This record gives sequence, C-alpha cells and structure tokens, in this order.
Amino acid sequence: GAVVSQHPSRVICKSGTSVKIECRSLDFQATTMFWYRQFPKKSLMLMATSNEGSKATYEQGVEKDKFLINHASLTLSTLTVTSAHPEDSSFYICSARGLSGSGVSEEQFFGPGTRLTVL
Amino acid sequence: GQNIDQPTEMTATEGAIVQINCTYQTSGFNGLFWYQQHAGEAPTFLSYNVLDGLEEKGRFSSFLSRSKGYSYLLLKELQMKDSASYLCAVMRGDYKLSFGAGTTVTVRA
Repeated sequence: GAVVSQHPSRVICKSGTSVKIECRSLDFQATTMFWYRQFPKKSLMLMATSNEGSKATYEQGVEKDKFLINHASLTLSTLTVTSAHPEDSSFYICSARGLSGSGVSEEQFFGPGTRLTVL
Repeated sequence: GQNIDQPTEMTATEGAIVQINCTYQTSGFNGLFWYQQHAGEAPTFLSYNVLDGLEEKGRFSSFLSRSKGYSYLLLKELQMKDSASYLCAVMRGDYKLSFGAGTTVTVRA
C-alpha cells in the first residue's frame, strides 16, 4: 500500500516557540492532504485540508493563523504550530489522498503521527 | 452537523467473535471506513463500504446499510493482538472523513 511519513515523530518545545511538522507521501502523488489532531482516548478531529498549490481550508474553530499549512508539492505538506502553548500538546496525524490509476482514490493513507508536547 | 456513534468499550475472549456497531448521520455520504488504531500509533485501514451489504476480508468483515445509517465491523477468531481501538469513519459529501470516538476492544485470554 501507499506509504506516508511524518517528521518528527516526537517533539518537545517551550511555550511560545513554533514547531514545524512534515508530512510526505513516499510512493504516490498526493493531490490532497489532511491534518488531524487527537487528544488522549478521543477520536481524530479534522483540522484542515490542503490541496497542492492552493490555500488550505480550515475546519470551523481552527485558527488558520496559528496552524499554518503549506502544500508546496504533490508529496509534501507541512503544518507549523506557531507560538505553541501547553494546550496545543496533542497527537497530530496527517493523511494523504492520491491519484489512482482510475482517477482520484477515496482512501486516505495515514502517517505515523507526531506527538507534540509544549512545556 | 456530523453524528457518528459507536460503543466506547467492548471486552471479549480470545477465539471469540465481537461485533462493533456504528450509526451515523452526516451531510452526504461517500462511503464508510473502519480503521484499527493501537495506542500512540496512526490508524490503519481495515475496510471500506460504499454499497449495502457485507464485505469479508479474512477474520474481519464489515457491513453497511445506507438506508438505516448503520454499519458494523465483525472480528472473528479474536487474537490478543486485536486489542486496540476501532474507529468508524464516514466520508462525507465533501470527501472529508468524520470519525466516531472509537471503540476500545480488549481481548482477554
């Protein structure tokens, strides 16, 4: 199956700093990438959708100036948490939806996640 | 809004069968996914149903009834490694996924 990687897998930072998380599709071109966050024992909450070459669309209640998303190529999307605070500590997961031989694939392939801890 | 309901927890014995139900009300429907997630890891794909009926894949089967807004995931011949959280996710009309809160399955020896 398709492989999606995330880097870093874990990050600890001080309050007020910015953290960048990378999401890469390794063996397919991802027309669309999604960013989720997950709190302990809770489900995944979609934060934003990023399409290559265009601005990301954010879900209601997600601050676009705080969570900056860039999808510069068909294999890379980045999420930058700006001025991080302890309440931003969470598990961030990206997924990618790519092009199959018959057109757009509905399946999303998930990255391994990034555990962010803000002190 | 989106509403996806599934039980919080289920416990079963090794070798047994467990059925995890999921009911949904969403804006548009483009299929239903089941994912398995172990603690601290990303979800892994188990099944996808877009038409009514049963899809069988080894020890796991998934059923969908679109008219009832209902799906279930059936896990047969349970193994200890099947202890995990199982997420029901609906692909909405805008092709985005809405997830249920997940069902934690504990398999006991």
